[in-house]
Amino acid sequence: KAGVTQTPRYLIKTRGQQVTLSCSPISGHRSVSWYQQTPGQGLQFLFEYFSETQRNKGNFPGRFSGRQFSNSRSEMNVSTLELGDSALYLCASSHERSSYEQYFGPGTRLTVT
Amino acid sequence: EDQVTQSPEALRLQEGESSSLNCSYTVSGLRGLFWYRQDPGKGPEFLFTLYSAGEEKEKERLKATLTKKESFLHITAPKPEDSATYLCAVPQGTDKLIFGTGTRLQVFP
Repeated sequence: KAGVTQTPRYLIKTRGQQVTLSCSPISGHRSVSWYQQTPGQGLQFLFEYFSETQRNKGNFPGRFSGRQFSNSRSEMNVSTLELGDSALYLCASSHERSSYEQYFGPGTRLTVT
Repeated sequence: EDQVTQSPEALRLQEGESSSLNCSYTVSGLRGLFWYRQDPGKGPEFLFTLYSAGEEKEKERLKATLTKKESFLHITAPKPEDSATYLCAVPQGTDKLIFGTGTRLQVFP
C-alpha cells in the first residue's frame, strides 16, 4: 500500500507571496491532518479534515487555510507569506479519526525569503 | 491543560549502552499513546500504540511501556542507525493529536 505523498517536497517563496501544498493520503484513509514543524516549536497542529469538512483547527492565523476533496486528497494554502512561516509542513492520514494512529508524509520544506 | 512532556531533550549513547526515554502526559481520559521516530528532514514514522496501563510493545531494540501518567521507550543495545528524534503523542478530544517536543537520540559507534 502506498504511503502518504506530499508535493512539492521543497519550495522557496518570497515574503508576501502565497503557496499551496498538496497531500494524498493512504488509500482508504479519510482523515487528513496538517502540522507545522519548526526547531523551536516542534509539531504544531494546523487543521484536520474528514469527508471534505474541517473538524478541528489549531491556533494559527487565518492566512493558513485548507480543504479536502472528495477523493480525500487535501491541500493547504498560506497567503501573504511571512519569514516565520519557514518550516517543514507535514501531512498525516488516519483511517477514521485523527485521534487514532496517524501516518505521516515526507513533508514539504518551505523557505520564505 | 492537556500536555505532553518528553525528557531528556537530547541523549548521547555509546553503541550498546541501553537507556530509556520518558514521555509524561496530563490528559483526561487517556485513549492511547503513540510513539514515532523521525529522521532529519523526514516525516515521523509510526512505531507503537499503547492503550492501557501495563501494556508493553516491542520492535527490534525498542520496547514501549505505559503507566497511568507516563510512557517509557526503552532502547536495548542501541546501534548508530537508531539515531533519530523520538516523539510521543496523545489524542486530545477526538480529532487531534498533541505531540511532545521529542528526544533527540545520538548513538555513537
